[in-house]
Amino acid sequence: DGGITQSPKYLFRKEGQNVTLSCEQNLNHDAMYWYRQDPGQGLRLIYYSQIVNDFQKGDIAEGYSVSREKKESFPLTVTSAQKNPTAFYLCASSWQSGADEQYFGPGTRLTVT
Amino acid sequence: LAKTTQPISMDSYEGQEVNITCSHNNIATNDYITWYQQFPSQGPRFIIQGYKTKVTNEVASLFIPADRKSSTLSLPRVSLSDTAVYYCLVRTGANNLFFGTGTRLTVIP
Repeated sequence: DGGITQSPKYLFRKEGQNVTLSCEQNLNHDAMYWYRQDPGQGLRLIYYSQIVNDFQKGDIAEGYSVSREKKESFPLTVTSAQKNPTAFYLCASSWQSGADEQYFGPGTRLTVT
Repeated sequence: LAKTTQPISMDSYEGQEVNITCSHNNIATNDYITWYQQFPSQGPRFIIQGYKTKVTNEVASLFIPADRKSSTLSLPRVSLSDTAVYYCLVRTGANNLFFGTGTRLTVIP
C-alpha cells in the first residue's frame, strides 16, 4: 500500500522540550512538505524539500528544523524556540516541487503544555 | 503572491449542485488552479486541477473563465459526506502552494 505515514497521531510535550515528528512516504516522490494548521485556519507552509539533502524555508520556519537524508523521510523538529507549538502538523509529498497534486499524511496533533 | 479569496462558508441541501467560486486576481501565466477537500483531523485530499476552460472528473467539475482570475468548483448532487472544507490553490511560483482558509461546506439533510 503506497502512501504517507505520520507518527504518532497525538503527541504531548512539556514546554521547553524539543520534539520530532515523523513523516515517511513510499510513493517515490521527490518533493516533501510540512504544514501547520491551527483551529479554523488554513494550512501554512513550514518547510519543503525538493530533493534529498536539500530543503527550503516556507512561510513560518522560525522555531522549526528539518532534515532530508533519505528520499522517503522528512522529519520535522519543533524546537523550544517555537513560541506557539500546539497545532495540527501535516506532511505531504508530490512528484516534483510545485506540482500539482500533493498527497497528505494523516497528521500529528501536537499539544505542548 | 497569487493568493486566493473564497467564501468562508456555504450551506446546501442534500442532492443539490454546489458551486464554490474562488478569486485569484494575481494568477500567473503558468499557474494551475487546484482544489482540495479536507475533513476534520485529516490531511487534505486532491479533488481536481485545471488551467483553463473546463475540467471534469468523477467527483467534480472545474470551470475557469478566459481571464483565469477566478474559478468555480462544481459538486453535483452533494451528499452529507461532502460536508468538509474546500481549498482553492494557485501555485505561487515553482515551489509553493498557498492554502487559504478555505470554504466550509455544510450539507443539510
